[in-house]
Amino acid sequence: EAQVTQNPRYLITVTGKKLTVTCSQNMNHEYMSWYRQDPGLGLRQIYYSMNVEVTDKGDVPEGYKVSRKEKRNFPLILESPSPNQTSLYFCASSPGAAAPHEQYFGPGTRLTVT
Amino acid sequence: QKEVEQDPGPLSVPEGAIVSLNCTYSNSAFQYFMWYRQYSRKGPELLMYTYSSGNKEDGRFTAQVDKSSKYISLFIRDSQPSDSATYLCAMTGDYKLSFGAGTTVTVRA
Repeated sequence: EAQVTQNPRYLITVTGKKLTVTCSQNMNHEYMSWYRQDPGLGLRQIYYSMNVEVTDKGDVPEGYKVSRKEKRNFPLILESPSPNQTSLYFCASSPGAAAPHEQYFGPGTRLTVT
Repeated sequence: QKEVEQDPGPLSVPEGAIVSLNCTYSNSAFQYFMWYRQYSRKGPELLMYTYSSGNKEDGRFTAQVDKSSKYISLFIRDSQPSDSATYLCAMTGDYKLSFGAGTTVTVRA
């Protein structure tokens, strides 16, 4: 089944404890992206990647890191999480880097930082 | 001011009614205009997209884009209870995407 998977689905952590949320897609998509969703603010793009080893900042990249060493994986790293990073996170992929409008989303990761 | 504005609603309509959703935007560089549907506790799913101005129809769904007014719309005809969800508009002109805040729609049986 063609899909985007994220792990973990739920995570409660403490301020400053480094964490990684994994994202994987099995559709051979070139473009991948991370978003956070907050009430009243909608989806905001954190980082995106047009292809392996090519990443760029979205609208809210502060406090996050990403890497794209393989085409199928795009992990999101929080080096020192803070409570304002408590949110619902979505990973998405798109068939072509020139066509990011056709996004396929993962199921989401609900992160709570205390 | 946000780049994409969308009325969050909520919107409640009886089954069979036409649902009308819209977004306004400020960035004239946007070329692709998308509508996503998000059910509770799920990731968004792409309903349809339009390139540049014009209309596009897919079954009960019609998307309209008016670039001169920087205004896009989604119409759902013969609405069903299964259409109850949050609808997100999104736009892109390059590699970055901008989303509206989403409108929550409830279709009453």
